[in-house]
Formats: sequence, structure tokens, C-alpha cells
Amino acid sequence: GAGVSQSPRYKVAKRGQDVALRCDPISGHVSLFWYQQALGQGPEFLTYFQNEAQLDKSGLPSDRFFAERPEGSVSTLKIQRTQQEDSAVYLCASSPSGQGYNEQFFGPGTRLTVL
Amino acid sequence: GESVGLHLPTLSVQEGDNSIINCAYSNSASDYFIWYKQESGKGPQFIIDIRSNMDKRQGQRVTVLLNKTVKHLSLQIAATQPGDSAVYFCAELKAAGNKLTFGGGTRVLVKP
Repeated sequence: GAGVSQSPRYKVAKRGQDVALRCDPISGHVSLFWYQQALGQGPEFLTYFQNEAQLDKSGLPSDRFFAERPEGSVSTLKIQRTQQEDSAVYLCASSPSGQGYNEQFFGPGTRLTVL
Repeated sequence: GESVGLHLPTLSVQEGDNSIINCAYSNSASDYFIWYKQESGKGPQFIIDIRSNMDKRQGQRVTVLLNKTVKHLSLQIAATQPGDSAVYFCAELKAAGNKLTFGGGTRVLVKP
């Protein structure tokens, strides 16, 4: 069956450019998460949606980072005026419910390289 | 291809032997602890979880042990196979918040 998909898989941006990363969660999944994974480290939480509502954005590193999920399915993570420290793999995960503990299913990630 | 972790601690194990991967966690208020496997170029894949009120849980070829006294979590893999070569992360979660907090990873290399 279809899992979580992300596009593009690889993105190279020049410093100062804006980028948009897309996540297609598993169909019907209520919760959607974005994580940032630097090389050699574990993923770090960025933000969480329940349907179209962004319930937690405490992990977004700066106001250059913005995420949306307008119809409660596909989500986009946008990074404005990219900096070299933004280089990382951006992972999206979805889970079936918005209540209690649910397994999170991860996509393959988008590797962003900022030159 | 991509490398998930170039500077991670590495566990080398002979094929067929048992592997033990350790993790120290920080938040004693976490409700669940989860082990993930991550292969190069892929996202983390769920292996097994354990609720905070348990101290042991077994799955297929894997066992997770939780020691809340010393805030320690371990993953045991029985009869390690080449397909087990990957980076392994522990993670903790509070059910109310739903966000995962990952620990540092361990690279497992299985030698044939």
C-alpha cells in the first residue's frame, strides 16, 4: 500500500532562496508531523498538525520556517531566505488518529542542501 | 547513496550473534519509548515500543527492556542478519503531545 511520500527527494538551493517541501501523508491519517534531521543526528520535531489545525509549532527554528496543511491532507513546509544551517533531511510522518498514542509512519525525507 | 550517520557510535556484530543497543533517556514523564531503524536514504521505521509502566516487551527477534530507575532503554536483536544493518534510534513520547523526542543513534554493522 501507499506510504508517506515526500517531494522533491533532493533539493539544492542557493543561500537566500525560498524552498517548498511537500508531504503526502497516508490517506485518512489525521495527524501529520515534520522533523528535521541533521547529518549524524536523530530527527528533531518541528511542527504538528491535526487535520488542518497546526497544534504545535514549538520546534520551528525561526520565523523563516512556515508549514501549512490547508485541507487536512497534503502539507507543505516552506523555508524562506535559506541559510547554510538549514541543510538537513526534512522528514514527514503521519499517524491515524489525533488522540492518544499512535505509531508514526515516516516518509523517505527531502535532503536540502544550501550552498 | 546517502549516509544517515557518519559520526555515530558503531556496533559491529557477526551474523547470527545477538545485538544489544543501549539508550539513555532524559524525560521521566514520557509515556512511551520506541525504537526505530533507519536505513540509508530512508525514513525511520518503527521496530517496537514499550509503555512506561512496563519493563520488558518482546517482538519478533527483538526485545526491548526499560529500566526507569536509571532511565535506560535497550534493544536486543536475536540472531542478527545482514538486513539488520542500519542506524537505530530510541525515541520517547508523551501521549498528550504526540511529538517524538529522539536520542542519539547507533550504527549496527553486521559482518557475514
